[in-house]
Amino acid sequence: QQQVRQSPQSLTVWEGETAILNCSYEDSTFDYFPWYRLFPGESPALLIAIRPVSNKKEDGRFTIFFNKREKKLSLHITDSQPGDSATYFCAARRWSWNYKYVFGAGTRLKVIA
Amino acid sequence: ETAVFQTPNYHVTQVGNEVSFNCKQTLGHDTMYWYKQDSKKLLKIMFSYNNKQLIVNETVPRRFSPQSSDKAHLNLRIKSVEPEDSAVYLCASSQTGASNERLFFGHGTKLSVL
Repeated sequence: QQQVRQSPQSLTVWEGETAILNCSYEDSTFDYFPWYRLFPGESPALLIAIRPVSNKKEDGRFTIFFNKREKKLSLHITDSQPGDSATYFCAARRWSWNYKYVFGAGTRLKVIA
Repeated sequence: ETAVFQTPNYHVTQVGNEVSFNCKQTLGHDTMYWYKQDSKKLLKIMFSYNNKQLIVNETVPRRFSPQSSDKAHLNLRIKSVEPEDSAVYLCASSQTGASNERLFFGHGTKLSVL
C-alpha cells in the first residue's frame, strides 16, 4: 500500500502563478517530511523539509504548509518560473528511525512562459 | 557536484541473466540505500545499510541481494533478472543524526530486461 500520496499527478501553470502540490500520509508516526525535486537527466535533490513542530516552512519562493491533524501537507511555489519545471516528490520518515524514507509518486510540474 | 557514483549508467540484458550494479559515496556518510524507480516514477526503497549492516530489507524478490564491503560502497546484485525488473535503480546515502539530513542520490542505473 502507498503510505505517501501526492496530487495532482501533473500540473501546468503559467509563469508568475502559484503552483500548489499536495501530499498526504497514513502513518501518524512519520515526523519528518522532505520534498525532493527531480530535473530530467539529473538525480533527486532535497528542496525543502519540515518537521511537525511547525505548520509552515518557508525558503524563498517555496513554502510547505503542514496540517498534522489531517495528515496533509502542501508545497506552494510562488511566482513560478519555467526553470521550476520538474518532478516534485514528497517523502516521509520517522526521525527516530531514519533508515527508511517513503516517497510519494511525484507531481510533474510544467511552468509555461 | 556528484558525490554518489553509480555504474553502469545503463544496462540491457536478457531474462535469466545475472547483473550487478555498483555504488560508491565519497561523502563519508554512514547510511546507504537502494531505491527502485518504476515506470510510473514511483520511488520504492529496497535496502538500507548503516555502517555495513543491513537495516532495512523491504519485500523484494530473493533474486535481489545487496553487498556492502565498507560504509562507502553498496552494490546490488540481481541473480536472474525478470522483465519486471526493468527500472531505474537509484543509490543514495545520508548521515544519520545530521541536523540538515538529506538523501544524496546517484544518477541511477537504468536496467532494461528484454
